[in-house]
Amino acid sequence: DGGITQSPKYLFRKEGQNVTLSCEQNLNHDAMYWYRQDPGQGLRLIYYSQIVNDFQKGDIAEGYSVSREKKESFPLTVTSAQKNPTAFYLCASSPGERNEQYFGPGTRLTVT
Amino acid sequence: SQQGEEDPQALSIQEGENATMNCSYKTSINNLQWYRQNSGRGLVHLILIRSNEREKHSGRLRVTLDTSKKSSSLLITASRAADTASYFCATGGVNDYKLSFGAGTTVTVRA
Repeated sequence: DGGITQSPKYLFRKEGQNVTLSCEQNLNHDAMYWYRQDPGQGLRLIYYSQIVNDFQKGDIAEGYSVSREKKESFPLTVTSAQKNPTAFYLCASSPGERNEQYFGPGTRLTVT
Repeated sequence: SQQGEEDPQALSIQEGENATMNCSYKTSINNLQWYRQNSGRGLVHLILIRSNEREKHSGRLRVTLDTSKKSSSLLITASRAADTASYFCATGGVNDYKLSFGAGTTVTVRA
């Protein structure tokens, strides 16, 4: 899982509550990413950040928000506006453009 | 958007056999990457092949890329039980550095 940590590994929340997933990297990578994975499917990009204090929406950003105040950290907030938040969330980082991505171990979020 | 499509969806082989899986994509790419995911874990990068390359090797892995057919293949030789995992291809676009992942091929290696 490289130098990327995600916490917690499992997270349970009630519907209507916002929840923040943590992602920290010590690889000194500029770019960071958040993906969502549903059973039997590939990864879908939620948000990504090329540099501190800057981030862009991915393919499925609705109902999510992020911040990038430090190079090492890229937390993801799943808001109550996300219609179907139960999923496996993966954070990744990359040294720069068009390079391989390094993934964290993931957080499995269950909302009931 | 999901650009890569892996084929087959699932593959079951005997230990020691070779495993081949394919990836097709729709638009021009800068590079194509293969990742492995063990059940419930994060993805691990295996190989990156650039659009001007045709073949790449890494240990027991061999990746080919045919940009005219918009397809790639991953070959795992002499498979082991530890190779049991899902394998994903991901394409890197020409104009951006986002990756688009396919749905993956689930490989089971029987002892």
